[in-house]
Amino acid sequence: KQEVTQIPAALSVPEGENLVLNCSFTDSAIYNLQWFRQDPGKGLTSLLLIQSSQREQTSGRLNASLDKSSGRSTLYIAASQPGDSATYLCAVPLSGSARQLTFGSGTQLTVLP
Amino acid sequence: EAQVTQNPRYLITVTGKKLTVTCSQNMNHEYMSWYRQDPGLGLRQIYYSMNVEVTDKGDVPEGYKVSRKEKRNFPLILESPSPNQTSLYFCASSSGGRPQPQHFGDGTRLSIL
Repeated sequence: KQEVTQIPAALSVPEGENLVLNCSFTDSAIYNLQWFRQDPGKGLTSLLLIQSSQREQTSGRLNASLDKSSGRSTLYIAASQPGDSATYLCAVPLSGSARQLTFGSGTQLTVLP
Repeated sequence: EAQVTQNPRYLITVTGKKLTVTCSQNMNHEYMSWYRQDPGLGLRQIYYSMNVEVTDKGDVPEGYKVSRKEKRNFPLILESPSPNQTSLYFCASSSGGRPQPQHFGDGTRLSIL
């Protein structure tokens, strides 16, 4: 059974800092890995999807890396802003599936002005 | 605008009174799914559908039903709701073929008294 762990559970940083969020998963036979953002009272917004054949994906100030062999992914946020404050979740498909997602419990990020 | 729409957004009801949460997407997506989100347990998949008339159980299907008669709609049915189904529910969709990012609705907060 796939298990996804995110560390830390919460993180508070001053504005402008670069930061790294971590995600680890137990079954490395995955098709892809997705990072989401969740704002309070809102649904999830997909940030980045990394296919299993890729090592990283970039979107603006966000960079996600994937190391399948070690079962790890990181989300790097450059020059953090207060608007980045949210809960960040990573998700991987269940073994043998391309779309049934198993989610980590998330990292709650607060960027202080 | 591409979106996944859930209704209602909030509902307080009583044990045993049948209810339906609707989900509709306007992106012509083949894949749709339902999740529930609970503190300390994260997001867990209830049911999913690969296409019209094709549905299957996720991790926590007990007490729920779904149907997929049309491509755009995927309602979640609670035939006899119980207090342990009090939760935040999300509907999601994505296109078929090569896995694409999943799009989430804004959530439905259900309270079963």
